[in-house]
Amino acid sequence: GQNIDQPTEMTATEGAIVQINCTYQTSGFNGLFWYQQHAGEAPTFLSYNVLDGLEEKGRFSSFLSRSKGYSYLLLKELQMKDSASYLCAVRDPPNSNSGYALNFGKGTSLLVTP
Amino acid sequence: KAGVTQTPRYLIKTRGQQVTLSCSPISGHRSVSWYQQTPGQGLQFLFEYFSETQRNKGNFPGRFSGRQFSNSRSEMNVSTLELGDSALYLCASSKGTAEAFFGQGTRLTVV
Repeated sequence: GQNIDQPTEMTATEGAIVQINCTYQTSGFNGLFWYQQHAGEAPTFLSYNVLDGLEEKGRFSSFLSRSKGYSYLLLKELQMKDSASYLCAVRDPPNSNSGYALNFGKGTSLLVTP
Repeated sequence: KAGVTQTPRYLIKTRGQQVTLSCSPISGHRSVSWYQQTPGQGLQFLFEYFSETQRNKGNFPGRFSGRQFSNSRSEMNVSTLELGDSALYLCASSKGTAEAFFGQGTRLTVV
């Protein structure tokens, strides 16, 4: 099975940096994804890590340590529009039946204040 | 290009009824996955289809079923609706092992 943990809520100030952590205990691993979801909208893809290390994409970076079952999403130069829920998801490993299945944490609600 | 399209956007049903939700994936995407999102449980995987075959199924009762057509469009069906089935149902499509793109979802309310 999959157990994916993230903080429920976080608050940060506009212009600051925030780190959202995700820990996972899974029976297998085939990549870790971060999605952003604004209230009432669809989740949108932010980043993907399959190997250890840091992936940088503009103001967003994501880090993965497979040996520690740990990832974080780093958001720099926070803007008010970054207020949203951030979802960490682990993909099942491929096997004869697995296909494409994402196992999500319950999400971290980030509030950016002026 | 057009994104993932889900219909209808909102639905109200009575306990005991059945419901069918539709999902049209991004053109060229052959994998379609379905998820249930509730405030208490977050996003939970229902099932995934690829080339009209169910490849994976989450831990949901048999009342939840789905299918995929030859044009990759997918439907999911929930029979004998219960109050606890009230949720946002999200569909996602992907190409190969790349990231999944989500539709806007269908908000189902069971009364």
